[in-house]
Amino acid sequence: EVQLLESGGALVQPGGSLRLSCAASGFTFSNFAMSWVRQAPGKGLEWVSGVSGSGNRPSYAESVQGRFTISRDNSNHTVYLQMNSLRAEDTAVYYCAKQNSMVTIHYFDSWGRGTLVTVSS
Amino acid sequence: DIVMTQSPDSLAVSLGDTAIISCKSSQSVLSRPVNRDYVAWYQQRHGQPPRVLIYWASTRESGVPDRFSGSGSGTDFTLTISSLQAEDVAVYYCQQYYSSPLTFGGGTKVEIK
Repeated sequence: EVQLLESGGALVQPGGSLRLSCAASGFTFSNFAMSWVRQAPGKGLEWVSGVSGSGNRPSYAESVQGRFTISRDNSNHTVYLQMNSLRAEDTAVYYCAKQNSMVTIHYFDSWGRGTLVTVSS
Repeated sequence: DIVMTQSPDSLAVSLGDTAIISCKSSQSVLSRPVNRDYVAWYQQRHGQPPRVLIYWASTRESGVPDRFSGSGSGTDFTLTISSLQAEDVAVYYCQQYYSSPLTFGGGTKVEIK
């Protein structure tokens, strides 16, 4: 059974930084791309960033380009999202999602339960 | 970016009746070399993460009841929920994975009438 467990969400001040982690199990981690998808309170889904199975092809939404960095550790089955220069509009539940392919341009076949990031002074 | 537009924003359907949700993409998401439409549908119940129902526009995910069906091609897609059950109350999203950035529709809230 695929399991994705996010951690690292917190209350942070504008301009601050945070690192989210997603521990994966139940599948051959390095064979699948992983993404972060966020959902602001009461709003819809927004893809934030993705990384290929090998880890060498990250991609980002324009709204976070230059501020967020995605990475993965295939030996520890974990994907990370380093978030810098946080803004109020980054407030959301951040979901870790597994893609049904080694490349990031694909649909999501498994989701974690999410971790809440609140950016506020 | 490909914009996914869903309609309606919400709908109320009686138990046992059919719910129909539309999703239109701002450009074709059909890959002619493989003859596949790069659209997925997700269900998100209150307080839960999304779960995939349909991919390749019409392929049902394993374990998804057969009352859920997807159809359409090119730029126009439909999710049909036949014989609506109480557990189908949720928000439904379409998503394109034809090109980056991956984009979702705004969501359709399905309630019981």
